[in-house]
Amino acid sequence: SQKIEQNSEALNIQEGKTATLTCNYTNYSPAYLQWYRQDPGRGPVFLLLIRENEKEKRKERLKVTFDTTLKQSLFHITASQPADSATYLCALGGQASSASKIIFGSGTRLSIRP
Amino acid sequence: SQTIHQWPATLVQPVGSPLSLECTVEGTSNPNLYWYRQAAGRGLQLLFYSVGIGQISSEVPQNLSASRPQDRQFILSSKKLLLSDSGFYLCAWSGGSTGGYTFGSGTRLTVV
Repeated sequence: SQKIEQNSEALNIQEGKTATLTCNYTNYSPAYLQWYRQDPGRGPVFLLLIRENEKEKRKERLKVTFDTTLKQSLFHITASQPADSATYLCALGGQASSASKIIFGSGTRLSIRP
Repeated sequence: SQTIHQWPATLVQPVGSPLSLECTVEGTSNPNLYWYRQAAGRGLQLLFYSVGIGQISSEVPQNLSASRPQDRQFILSSKKLLLSDSGFYLCAWSGGSTGGYTFGSGTRLTVV
């Protein structure tokens, strides 16, 4: 069955350092991958989308890589700030049998300490 | 601009009571609409999705149903709630230029 794995442990990073989150998947051939941020008690907020033919995408302090051979995406936050503390979800979509649906990982909780 | 409204924000319901959660989208037409449920500390589980009025696909057999009576309205219902229906319910739409999903603010349902 399709499976998405994100760092199960919370990630604690010193302010100013680069945070790197991992998303691995199996039994899936996504056409694209998305990253979301979720704050406690709120709905997820879309951050970035990267397509299968793209190796890397950047948006301000965010960088996402997508390796379809390794079946892995890395999500980087450079110059991290306490305000970046949240849970980050990866999501896969675009498989032919799944129409417009995407499936989500369980998320990684990121804490940035001052 | 597009907005999504979901209500109520919190709900406490007794076992066996009915449920109706409503979600509406503004500023777009013919969106794909979704209902997700999120258990504490868990990922999002897709419950239903709809690509058009009256078109509902169910992902997980359960005690819930969904309807789409209008293009930008999506309703999640149950005739009789179970304790296991407790959770954080999220409505979302897709079809915008970013390619991402836009989520509502969620409903925290507690069945007692």
